[in-house]
Amino acid sequence: GNSVTQMEGPVTLSEEAFLTINCTYTATGYPSLFWYVQYPGEGLQLLLKATKADDKGSNKGFEATYRKETTSFHLEKGSVQVSDSAVYFCALSDDSGAGSYQLTFGKGTKLSVIP
Amino acid sequence: DGGITQSPKYLFRKEGQNVTLSCEQNLNHDAMYWYRQDPGQGLRLIYYSQIVNDFQKGDIAEGYSVSREKKESFPLTVTSAQKNPTAFYLCASSMVGQGLYGYTFGSGTRLTVV
Repeated sequence: GNSVTQMEGPVTLSEEAFLTINCTYTATGYPSLFWYVQYPGEGLQLLLKATKADDKGSNKGFEATYRKETTSFHLEKGSVQVSDSAVYFCALSDDSGAGSYQLTFGKGTKLSVIP
Repeated sequence: DGGITQSPKYLFRKEGQNVTLSCEQNLNHDAMYWYRQDPGQGLRLIYYSQIVNDFQKGDIAEGYSVSREKKESFPLTVTSAQKNPTAFYLCASSMVGQGLYGYTFGSGTRLTVV
């Protein structure tokens, strides 16, 4: 079956520090990969996505590259801000049959950025 | 603007009561999902539906029920059989066959047993 493993948190960084959140996956097909962000008390928002090997998704200074050879989709940001404090979820979407795509989520990584 | 609306944002339930969480979308999405979120456990799938009048159990369906009478609506009932219902509940939707786009999520309902 499909699975997503992401680094456990919490992660605490100082403002302007470099961020990496590791994500690796197992999938039977050719999945699309996603990073979602959840701010306190809210639902999940799509942060970025990549649909095939070597694609790079980017948004709001965050980047992640789809690495098929290492089955990874690590999230990076060069300089974090206090407003980036949130929980980040890695996810994959794979065809589970008859055109039905379901998301498989990692457990989430809580990021806290301190001034 | 299109989106998903969950209501209420906060809900309190007494022991032994059934409560219903609302989820409405105007995105014309075929598929809808309910997740439960507990601290440190990520998201767990309760039920999902890919078409009107049809739905399937997810990983933790016991103590929950759903209906899908309209494409736009997918209400979740937390029954008295659910022994530990205090959690954050998230509804999501997607287009069937559109795996590239992932899901759109509502803003959640926090249910507390009092």
